Amino acid sequence: EIVMTQSPATLSVSPGERATLSCRASQSVSSNLAWYQQKPGQAPRLLIYGASTRATGIPARFSGSGSGTEFTLTISSLQSEDFAVYYCQQYNNWPVLTFGGGTKVEIK
Amino acid sequence: QVQLVESGGGLVKPGGSLRLSCAASGFTFSDYYMSWIRQAPGKGLEWVSYISSSGSTIYYADSVKGRFTISRDNAKNSLYLQMNSLRAEDTAVYYCAAQLWLLPCVYWGQGTLVTVSS
Repeated sequence: EIVMTQSPATLSVSPGERATLSCRASQSVSSNLAWYQQKPGQAPRLLIYGASTRATGIPARFSGSGSGTEFTLTISSLQSEDFAVYYCQQYNNWPVLTFGGGTKVEIK
Repeated sequence: QVQLVESGGGLVKPGGSLRLSCAASGFTFSDYYMSWIRQAPGKGLEWVSYISSSGSTIYYADSVKGRFTISRDNAKNSLYLQMNSLRAEDTAVYYCAAQLWLLPCVYWGQGTLVTVSS
């Protein structure tokens, strides 16, 4: 089983600042890595797939990078609506999916 | 617009059963591969089960294998999850999610809460 580890667990950021979230896989997942955003009481929303491709309708301030075992989600300038929990997910073992534990981005 | 609407959740005693449903609209359901994903209260996301677009291929997480059964009816644009021998640790919001071949979950339902408690 591929284990996904996200860091940090909580990230405190001021609006307008840059946020950098990390995700590590226990073994290579190539570029088969997605990022989701989840707000309280809502379903997750796909942000990034293929490690760096934005999903439909996702603003350009969200960007993803990495391959193999190390991945990063960057939010270039945090807006109020971006404060949420972010999950990475590997789908290299598709259709068996594995999620990271999440990073909560909170207002500093 | 795309919609996935889950139903069937509720309170059930340990050892009991529930059947969840997921009604799809706004996209060609039969083209999509479907998964159930759950989230325990205050916890992260856990993949539960997968069914191929035709229904011919099915996978389960080890935590539910032998107790849960996934199925779909493409004529009714619906996905199902039969849950038997429920345990307290199955308490979660259950989401249905749609995927295309070798891609992550692009569409998600709003979830249905299953609570297993005596």
